[in-house]
Amino acid sequence: EAQVTQNPRYLITVTGKKLTVTCSQNMNHEYMSWYRQDPGLGLRQIYYSMNVEVTDKGDVPEGYKVSRKEKRNFPLILESPSPNQTSLYFCASSLREDYNEQFFGPGTRLTVL
Amino acid sequence: KQEVTQIPAALSVPEGENLVLNCSFTDSAIYNLQWFRQDPGKGLTSLLLIQSSQREQTSGRLNASLDKSSGRSTLYIAASQPGDSATYLCAVKKDSNYQLIWGAGTKLIIKP
Repeated sequence: EAQVTQNPRYLITVTGKKLTVTCSQNMNHEYMSWYRQDPGLGLRQIYYSMNVEVTDKGDVPEGYKVSRKEKRNFPLILESPSPNQTSLYFCASSLREDYNEQFFGPGTRLTVL
Repeated sequence: KQEVTQIPAALSVPEGENLVLNCSFTDSAIYNLQWFRQDPGKGLTSLLLIQSSQREQTSGRLNASLDKSSGRSTLYIAASQPGDSATYLCAVKKDSNYQLIWGAGTKLIIKP
């Protein structure tokens, strides 16, 4: 089954404790991205990647890091999480950046105390 | 800067009614507009995509329209069912290589 998976699905952590949210797709997609969703706001892009070893900042990259060492994986790293990073995070992938259809993961609900 | 607004933020209607969800955008120079459905714990699913040259798209009981000149799109849901309960998001793309700009969504509840 073609899908985007994220882990963990739920995470409660404390300020300053490094964490990684994994994202994996099995569709051989070139383009992957991370979004965060907050109440009353639309999805905002954090980082995106157009292919292996190619990443770039989205609208809200501060406090996040990403890597793309393999085509299928695009982990989101929070080196020192803060409470304002409490949010619902989505990973998405598409065949290419200019391809209209995006596939979304189920989301990771992160709470930083 | 493109801004996308969806009003109302929440809507509750009885089963069987036809309904319209609204999406407005500030810059009419768009490449396409998409409507998505968001179910809790299941991510987002694309429902309809309208290219800038199109006026509407239909899929089953769903019909999406686009009026670029007025900066508006509507999603029409016919004969609503409880299974239609979800949050509906619209997103616009400025150019083929640009990211999507998202509205905050309308949470729809269909009462049996």
